[in-house]
Amino acid sequence: ILNVEQSPQSLHVQEGDSTNFTCSFPSSNFYALHWYRWETAKSPEALFVMTLNGDEKKKGRISATLNTKEGYSYLYIKGSQPEDSATYLCAFIDNYGQNFVFGPGTRLSVLP
Amino acid sequence: DTEVTQTPKHLVMGMTNKKSLKCEQHMGHRAMYWYKQKAKKPPELMFVYSYEKLSINESVPSRFSPECPNSSLLNLHLHALQPEDSALYLCASSQDSGTLVPYEQYFGPGTRLTVT
Repeated sequence: ILNVEQSPQSLHVQEGDSTNFTCSFPSSNFYALHWYRWETAKSPEALFVMTLNGDEKKKGRISATLNTKEGYSYLYIKGSQPEDSATYLCAFIDNYGQNFVFGPGTRLSVLP
Repeated sequence: DTEVTQTPKHLVMGMTNKKSLKCEQHMGHRAMYWYKQKAKKPPELMFVYSYEKLSINESVPSRFSPECPNSSLLNLHLHALQPEDSALYLCASSQDSGTLVPYEQYFGPGTRLTVT
């Protein structure tokens, strides 16, 4: 069973704060890592697809980095806004897309 | 249209009932997925269809039976479920199942299933 972990489990920040959280995954048989944002009562929404060691992706105030050799990815949010409140999930893919495993998520609450 | 739709939104069924969940997308995606999500847990992959053929079945009990009638539609037939099968069932689609490039998945809003 593949083990994908995320930390912290939950996070409360003030509006305007910058924050980051971690996804840890097996460093062997890596193929890709996805990041998703899941707001309450909505569908999970893809943020990033990362495939190469050293990848850095950015979308607005959100960015992500990838280290496949040590098995982790960081998600950063700059200047958090209340609308960033959501659960952030990473998903590890190995063996040419034959296994998709989500981490347990980090629940972010941004207080106005 | 970047929407994945799922019907019904909520379903309550007895353990002897037969029901079906439906998922539809019109993005031209060739891969479709079923996930099961229990409260406070991440989604767990159940099935993957690639080009209308079942490519992954994650050891799901036979009381769950997937069907892909065409590239836009995905069904999940339910029969003789147990109360522990109560969960949110999510459908997703992607350009393909990632054999060459791991495309992002587009998710539907889910069907909340309660088995009594």
